[in-house]
Amino acid sequence: EAQVTQNPRYLITVTGKKLTVTCSQNMNHEYMSWYRQDPGLGLRQIYYSMNVEVTDKGDVPEGYKVSRKEKRNFPLILESPSPNQTSLYFCASASRSGSDEQYFGPGTRLTVT
Amino acid sequence: GDSVTQMEGPVTLSEEAFLTINCTYTATGYPSLFWYVQYPGEGLQLLLKATKADDKGSNKGFEATYRKETTSFHLEKGSVQVSDSAVYFCALGGSQGNLIFGKGTKLSVKP
Repeated sequence: EAQVTQNPRYLITVTGKKLTVTCSQNMNHEYMSWYRQDPGLGLRQIYYSMNVEVTDKGDVPEGYKVSRKEKRNFPLILESPSPNQTSLYFCASASRSGSDEQYFGPGTRLTVT
Repeated sequence: GDSVTQMEGPVTLSEEAFLTINCTYTATGYPSLFWYVQYPGEGLQLLLKATKADDKGSNKGFEATYRKETTSFHLEKGSVQVSDSAVYFCALGGSQGNLIFGKGTKLSVKP
């Protein structure tokens, strides 16, 4: 089954404790992206990747890092999480371009205390 | 720059009512247009899309027509069901190779 998977689905952590949210797709897509969803603000793009070893900032990249060492994986790293990073995070992928149909993962709800 | 504006919710309807969610856009060129749906506790999934002017996207009884002259892509359904309760997002394929989303419209359908 074609899908985007994220882990964990739920995470509660404390300020400053490094964490990684994994994202994997099995569709051989070139484009991958991370979004955060907050009430009243909709979806905002954090980082995206056009292909292996090619990443770029989205609209709200501060406090986040990403890497794209393999085509299928695109982890999101929070080196020192803060409470304002409490949010619902989505990973997405698209065949070639981010302006095409994107396929979304189920989401990761992160709480930073 | 590219942008999407959709009607704010929440929208509450009775079962079998007619649904319209307005969406207008600003963009250079002729972008692809999308409607995504997010059911409670789930990720976004594509509902329908249109890639050029006058195209009509349709799925699950929902329809939207790409109107270049009014820069609109309004979502419609003739008879909503309780199972249609969700958040609906209008989006366009941006000139920077990304998706630009509206802020979402929450729909609640009462039996």
